[in-house]
Amino acid sequence: GAVVSQHPSWVICKSGTSVKIECRSLDFQATTMFWYRQFPKQSLMLMATSNEGSKATYEQGVEKDKFLINHASLTLSTLTVTSAHPEDSSFYICSASDPGGGNQPQHFGDGTRLSIL
Amino acid sequence: AQSVTQLDSQVPVFEEAPVELRCNYSSSVSVYLFWYVQYPNQGLQLLLKYLSGSTLVKGINGFEAEFNKSQTSFHLRKPSVHISDTAEYFCAVSLDTGRRALTFGSGTRLQVQP
Repeated sequence: GAVVSQHPSWVICKSGTSVKIECRSLDFQATTMFWYRQFPKQSLMLMATSNEGSKATYEQGVEKDKFLINHASLTLSTLTVTSAHPEDSSFYICSASDPGGGNQPQHFGDGTRLSIL
Repeated sequence: AQSVTQLDSQVPVFEEAPVELRCNYSSSVSVYLFWYVQYPNQGLQLLLKYLSGSTLVKGINGFEAEFNKSQTSFHLRKPSVHISDTAEYFCAVSLDTGRRALTFGSGTRLQVQP
């Protein structure tokens, strides 16, 4: 079945560092991918919608210059947390759906736990 | 806009007992409904979905859910839980099956005790 791969699964870095997270659709082409953020013991909140070949659509309150999204190919979207600070520490999850798969729901990556020291 | 309410933040239950996790939604248009499970430090796994048709939906791992339009509910049930069912469960809605983002409830922690 369709699989979404997310890398890395865990990142620990110093404050001020920029961190790139990759989201890949392994056996289908995803024109749209979604990025969510999850704080400890909380639900997932949509950060942005990543559109292949065009600019991402950010949710209200999400800084687009802070969270750079690039969807350069039909199988890869990247989220870069620029100049990360401790308050950016969170669990980031991407999802995508197979547009040719009929009424198929989204498939989620395994998430990336980001810890900023 | 859509919203999802999961009234129970935690549900403790003994092994082999039945369980129901409640989910209510609000939307001015028709939505698709989903239940996902999340194990610690992992992504989300789809348990089941309601798109149309029969209001009783069967999913993986023995879970089922019933869509009730008049009560705008989509409660998740399992007749007999196992220790391995201990996890976080999220109810979600979407305007589309896959092309739109999901709106999640706050989650319910199912704690199965021996």
